[in-house]
Amino acid sequence: GAVVSQHPSWVICKSGTSVKIECRSLDFQATTMFWYRQFPKQSLMLMATSNEGSKATYEQGVEKDKFLINHASLTLSTLTVTSAHPEDSSFYICSARPERGDTEAFFGQGTRLTVV
Amino acid sequence: GQNIDQPTEMTATEGAIVQINCTYQTSGFNGLFWYQQHAGEAPTFLSYNVLDGLEEKGRFSSFLSRSKGYSYLLLKELQMKDSASYLCAPMDSNYQLIWGAGTKLIIKP
Repeated sequence: GAVVSQHPSWVICKSGTSVKIECRSLDFQATTMFWYRQFPKQSLMLMATSNEGSKATYEQGVEKDKFLINHASLTLSTLTVTSAHPEDSSFYICSARPERGDTEAFFGQGTRLTVV
Repeated sequence: GQNIDQPTEMTATEGAIVQINCTYQTSGFNGLFWYQQHAGEAPTFLSYNVLDGLEEKGRFSSFLSRSKGYSYLLLKELQMKDSASYLCAPMDSNYQLIWGAGTKLIIKP
């Protein structure tokens, strides 16, 4: 199957700083990438959908100025958590699909963010 | 609204068979996925059904009934490593995956 690489796997940062998470599709071009957040024992929550070359579409309740998403190329999307606070501590996962339609979503390994 | 209903937790014995049921309501339908997620890891793809019926893939099989909004994942010859959460995720008319909380499967020796 296709490979999606997410980096870093885990990060600890101080409150008030910003953290960037990268999501790369290694062997396919991803026109659409999705960013999820998952709190312990809870379901995946879609934060935003990003399409290459256009602005991301954020889900209701997700602050677009706090969670900056950039999808500058067909193989790379980034999520930047700005001015992180302890409540932003969570597991962030990206996924990518080669094309719109009935294809599986390939997931990155996830990033465990801890804000202290 | 869109809704996924799965049991929260199930327990089964190593070597046995377990069926995890999922009922769903979505705005439109473009197939249903099953994913496995071990604690602290990202989900991994198990199966995809878009037509009614049973899809078999090794020890895992998935069934879909579109008219009933129902799917199940069948796991045979359970192994300890199958202890994980199993996520049923239908795809709506916008090709968005709708995620439930998943079913935590506990395998006992």
